Amino acid sequence: NAGVTQTPKFQVLKTGQSMTLQCAQDMNHNSMYWYRQDPGMGLRLIYYSASEGTTDKGEVPNGYNVSRLNKREFSLRLESAAPSQTSVYFCASRRTSGSTDTQYFGPGTRLTVL
Amino acid sequence: EDQVTQSPEALRLQEGESSSLNCSYTVSGLRGLFWYRQDPGKGPEFLFTLYSAGEEKEKERLKATLTKKESFLHITAPKPEDSATYLCAVKIQGAQKLVFGQGTRLTINP
Repeated sequence: NAGVTQTPKFQVLKTGQSMTLQCAQDMNHNSMYWYRQDPGMGLRLIYYSASEGTTDKGEVPNGYNVSRLNKREFSLRLESAAPSQTSVYFCASRRTSGSTDTQYFGPGTRLTVL
Repeated sequence: EDQVTQSPEALRLQEGESSSLNCSYTVSGLRGLFWYRQDPGKGPEFLFTLYSAGEEKEKERLKATLTKKESFLHITAPKPEDSATYLCAVKIQGAQKLVFGQGTRLTINP
């Protein structure tokens, strides 16, 4: 049981390049999330998928797109990277069971845009 | 506006010196308050969820408590391996996202 996995761990892009961040979970959770973490700003939600086949914008969606490929996988795409997208990106999945409602995070992707 | 504020930003303690971290929140309707631990270069690791005022949860040297306006993470007789950033987050009724505080960076000196 690997939990939430993310690839790649590190990436350096030039301004204008595109890339896709991959996320997978093996906990059979319905909901998945993409956050970014910047110094002094806490984690902020980019996009989420409440269930397979649905996606919705979070607080900071501009410049990003997402795909919920199946129940396990949720990818984040940067179509034309900008230096402002330099950040650490975390994927999470959510367990709801009775009164329990908890999000579990992956190890992160550290992205630098030059 | 929903807001979560953690204090202090950073805290240095000697091994064995107990203390508390604070998380105060202003939200429209609390569904749950979460504590996470984050080590450098790693993702947040889930510690506790608290759902109602008066609730307490414990794990090893950590105890989390919740009131109607804030939560405390008490650390008793900490060890150097407790050094990490501790994040507080709240989930609002009817919302998908977690609202995070900026974290408290805790350092325990041997």
